[in-house]
Amino acid sequence: QITLKESGPTLVKPTQTLTLTCTFSGFSLNTFAMGVGWIRQPPGKALEWLALIYWDDDKRYSPSLKSRLTITKDTSKNQVVLTMTNMAPVDTATYYCAHSLPGTKGFDYWGQGTLVTVSS
Amino acid sequence: QSVLTQPPSVSGAPGQRLTISCTGSSSNIGADYDVYWYQQLPGTAPKLLIPGTSNRPSGVPDRFSGSESGTSASLAITGLQAEDEAYYYCQSYDNSLSGWVFGGGTKLTVL
Repeated sequence: QITLKESGPTLVKPTQTLTLTCTFSGFSLNTFAMGVGWIRQPPGKALEWLALIYWDDDKRYSPSLKSRLTITKDTSKNQVVLTMTNMAPVDTATYYCAHSLPGTKGFDYWGQGTLVTVSS
Repeated sequence: QSVLTQPPSVSGAPGQRLTISCTGSSSNIGADYDVYWYQQLPGTAPKLLIPGTSNRPSGVPDRFSGSESGTSASLAITGLQAEDEAYYYCQSYDNSLSGWVFGGGTKLTVL
């Protein structure tokens, strides 16, 4: 049974750096073809892919946000961490982490999401 | 502006068949990347409905099916039920952006 859960601050100030942690179970990021991605959804708006990290430490970033994002993994803790620098009010969103369906470009298991509000 | 284009809303009566379109381009759907469909109920995380060309996840009724043609894809729902009222998103991969892309989402209303 694969589960994922996001954790991190619910409120950050403009210009601050956001650090989110995805803690997962039911699979290992040491296993071939495994991957974990981050997707966000501003209130009332569409889903937006942010970043993804694979079992072999291959990292992919959204071109529009690449300069602000860093994704890392800690396989010993079954965690994936996303950092986003220079937060602004437009970054207010629910942030989801999701398991990448092996061998595909889809996401088959999602965390419950965590709402991050950017406000002074 | 989403890379994949979906109609903002669709509606249908219980029991009807309904389709939701997802229009892309030659760098995503047209480049033979699979299209994935997700259902999102209010206040919940997206749920994978149609995993490209893979088998439907367990628990997803066979009333839901996906198809692709050229640079477009469609989600078909037969025997519409009240519980199908939700937002639906398509997703694929884009090789010119080198990233994962989503549609703008479609709100399905059951009349």
